[in-house]
Amino acid sequence: AQSVAQPEDQVNVAEGNPLTVKCTYSVSGNPYLFWYVQYPNRGLQFLLKYITGDNLVKGSYGFEAEFNKSQTSFHLKKPSALVSDSALYFCAVRPPLISSGSARQLTFGSGTQLTVLP
Amino acid sequence: GAVVSQHPSRVICKSGTSVKIECRSLDFQATTMFWYRQFPKQSLMLMATSNEGSKATYEQGVEKDKFLINHASLTLSTLTVTSAHPEDSSFYICSARGKHNEQFFGPGTRLTVL
Repeated sequence: AQSVAQPEDQVNVAEGNPLTVKCTYSVSGNPYLFWYVQYPNRGLQFLLKYITGDNLVKGSYGFEAEFNKSQTSFHLKKPSALVSDSALYFCAVRPPLISSGSARQLTFGSGTQLTVLP
Repeated sequence: GAVVSQHPSRVICKSGTSVKIECRSLDFQATTMFWYRQFPKQSLMLMATSNEGSKATYEQGVEKDKFLINHASLTLSTLTVTSAHPEDSSFYICSARGKHNEQFFGPGTRLTVL
């Protein structure tokens, strides 16, 4: 079974500083990895995904994530944080196409609350 | 990108009543829709997966008679919380899977049972 870990419940960073939100995963085979952002009382918004190819994935709003197979990590990064980036961030994993049925569901991490301080 | 809507966005009801939440894919056909539940400051927990024209598949621990799911068309799925109780108060989020297997999420429905 697949699983996702977000080791930090809360990340605080000053505006203009680089930010990192950590994610590690466990899945059989080559995973599909995702990052979503959630603002208060809103659904999830897709930020970026990794399926194959370049390990550095660029996404929406200046975010990027680096897939590291040896460390089974997919950390979210942004070079310069904005106050408006403050939100709840979820990492998610889905097993590859060789899986079937319910095994291909998205599994979410516990979420990391990012607060960017002005 | 693809849009998924939910209605209502917020509902307050009395204990014992039933509440229906609609999930629509507005500009694409979704053969599969998912219903999630999210408690405050927690992650999304998958409740069930629904495929158009067939019965929903419920996750372990989710009562299928309490959370009725209907996926009547390729653009509409409904979740009915029957005989709601205060412990059912939560944020319910639907998601629809497009033809390229990407999942798009609705804005969520805040249910409060008094």
